[in-house]
Amino acid sequence: GIQVEQSPPDLILQEGANSTLRCNFSDSVNNLQWFHQNPWGQLINLFYIPSGTKQNGRLSATTVATERYSLLYISSSQTTDSGVYFCAVGRGANSKLTFGKGITLSVRP
Amino acid sequence: DVKVTQSSRYLVKRTGEKVFLECVQDMDHENMFWYRQDPGLGLRLIYFSYDVKMKEKGDIPEGYSVSREKKERFSLILESASTNQTSMYLCASSLIFGGYTFGSGTRLTVV
Repeated sequence: GIQVEQSPPDLILQEGANSTLRCNFSDSVNNLQWFHQNPWGQLINLFYIPSGTKQNGRLSATTVATERYSLLYISSSQTTDSGVYFCAVGRGANSKLTFGKGITLSVRP
Repeated sequence: DVKVTQSSRYLVKRTGEKVFLECVQDMDHENMFWYRQDPGLGLRLIYFSYDVKMKEKGDIPEGYSVSREKKERFSLILESASTNQTSMYLCASSLIFGGYTFGSGTRLTVV
């Protein structure tokens, strides 16, 4: 199956700082999503981004499918950004996703 | 907003019991999924369904079965619960090609 590697595994930021989270994958995909899991365990979909660039407020994401990576940018981080960020990829029909291990982000006030 | 509702937030069951975890979505999504999440192992796919009465095994289907009699409802069944099935269970739904929406999860403890 597809391998998904996320880096760095852990990240500590001061409030207001910017950060870049990376997702590498081992094969061609037609589905890539980024999620944020808050401290209460709820997974929130941030982006559906199999290719190209999208922005949503302070967050943006870029996927370069031909080079098999995706980046999630967080600008002006806030304490509420803390949690685990997952990248998940899939190929073929039916949208089945394989998840990376996640990046644990702590934003300190 | 799409809502995915899981019937229980916390559940405690005894070894050997038959356990039903229910998931309902309200946005007419074709696809539904069951994952479990464990520390150090991440999210792993148990089963998924892309249509009513259709199901496919994921990466770890052993010890589980599923039922999808109606488009909006996807049930996960633990035929005979065991302690190694203690976990967080997450249900999700999506369009054929679209973002997942997850439920809030069911933390199951098997004693």
